[in-house]
Amino acid sequence: SQQGEEDPQALSIQEGENATMNCSYKTSINNLQWYRQNSGRGLVHLILIRSNEREKHSGRLRVTLDTSKKSSSLLITASRAADTASYFCATELFTGGGNKLTFGTGTQLKVEL
Amino acid sequence: DSGVTQTPKHLITATGQRVTLRCSPRSGDLSVYWYQQSLDQGLQFLIQYYNGEERAKGNILERFSAQQFPDLHSELNLSSLELGDSALYFCASSAYPGGTGELFFGEGSRLTVL
Repeated sequence: SQQGEEDPQALSIQEGENATMNCSYKTSINNLQWYRQNSGRGLVHLILIRSNEREKHSGRLRVTLDTSKKSSSLLITASRAADTASYFCATELFTGGGNKLTFGTGTQLKVEL
Repeated sequence: DSGVTQTPKHLITATGQRVTLRCSPRSGDLSVYWYQQSLDQGLQFLIQYYNGEERAKGNILERFSAQQFPDLHSELNLSSLELGDSALYFCASSAYPGGTGELFFGEGSRLTVL
């Protein structure tokens, strides 16, 4: 079962616009990460936010985390066609000796010229 | 390039067969993770190894097994294959045994079971 659910499932915007994706999860977490996946390729880490952080920036990316609502959002500003990809949130849970990074269902972002 | 190498890239086989997927982690990474990605199930965590020992287990079927060798490469063995096992299998590595670390993913092994 998925720990995280992304919303929306798909998003289509014009180049230059901002894209916002949301992630909701079910249990307490240690941290939350966002990954990007180009079609059929491996996932690429974008940003990690710890459970005691509320907001984090990296270039054109802004991530927020609300642990009381068990939700996170990823904002991509001034989007480009090259941002077209699927975006996944992943929550990290300790499971005794190891960590279990559980991925959400993903948001498919299409940025059109 | 993430530094994680997976072979083979593509594999087509028949139901009932057995296959082995191989993963070489990034240089220096001791943790290896296996994930399965399919259209209906999304990205499912299968198993994690750290320095040769199993550390965390996810939704891995009994027909599947994995191991991490002393040189830190890992293999995922899939046996008695069924049509539903067709998926993209990812290996990822990290420097950490557990907690707070980004994962570096390989490009995946696409398995098609006919």
